[in-house]
Amino acid sequence: QVQLVESGGGVVQPGRSLRLSCAASGFSFSSFVMQWVRQAPGKGLEGMAVISYDGRNQFYAESVKGRFTISRDNSKNTLELHMDSLRPDDTALYYCARTFMWSFDVWGQGTMVAVSS
Amino acid sequence: QSALTQPASVSGSPGQSITISCTGTGSDVGGYSHVSWYQQRPGKAPKLMIYEVSKWPSGVSNRFSGSKSGNTASLTISGLQAEDEADYYCSSYTSSNTWVFGGGTKLTVL
Repeated sequence: QVQLVESGGGVVQPGRSLRLSCAASGFSFSSFVMQWVRQAPGKGLEGMAVISYDGRNQFYAESVKGRFTISRDNSKNTLELHMDSLRPDDTALYYCARTFMWSFDVWGQGTMVAVSS
Repeated sequence: QSALTQPASVSGSPGQSITISCTGTGSDVGGYSHVSWYQQRPGKAPKLMIYEVSKWPSGVSNRFSGSKSGNTASLTISGLQAEDEADYYCSSYTSSNTWVFGGGTKLTVL
């Protein structure tokens, strides 16, 4: 079945880096725009990073621009998010999501990132 | 990109209809027909309920409907049921080639 599975979350100190991964299965991964969306504890959703189907184009929310990098490997059906200079306000549940018709039609279960000293 | 504006909470009795508004700007909601709505139950990932302002994904009840006028989109749930109790988020594509979400609305079924 169509599935997205995130991994790589954990507890990290402020200023450090972390890399998240998302494994896709059950669909033609290389045909879809993919995104990372996060949700701070008890808060709303925030779209963070978008990558085109071929990986050539990336777009970022202002809150993470210059610190986060989205990438994909279509040969391995994986999406990644490399996060640098992490701050306490980056603490959130990070979802990867498939984009279809300008909406997020498939979501993973999320991976938790906690930034704390 | 500022978050879209939604009411923090709405409530209704079973069988009634409720509407959740989502206000943005000409750079997002008002500029595109790319508005979508999501239902999120506690501890679960969001679920797509409406896309392209008013279209239903496969498997979503037609008790959920969407519309848009100017910079404001709306989600209406008719024939309210206890299982509809959840948080609801709107989202829009933006002129920055990113997506912005609303702050979320907690729906309580009385």
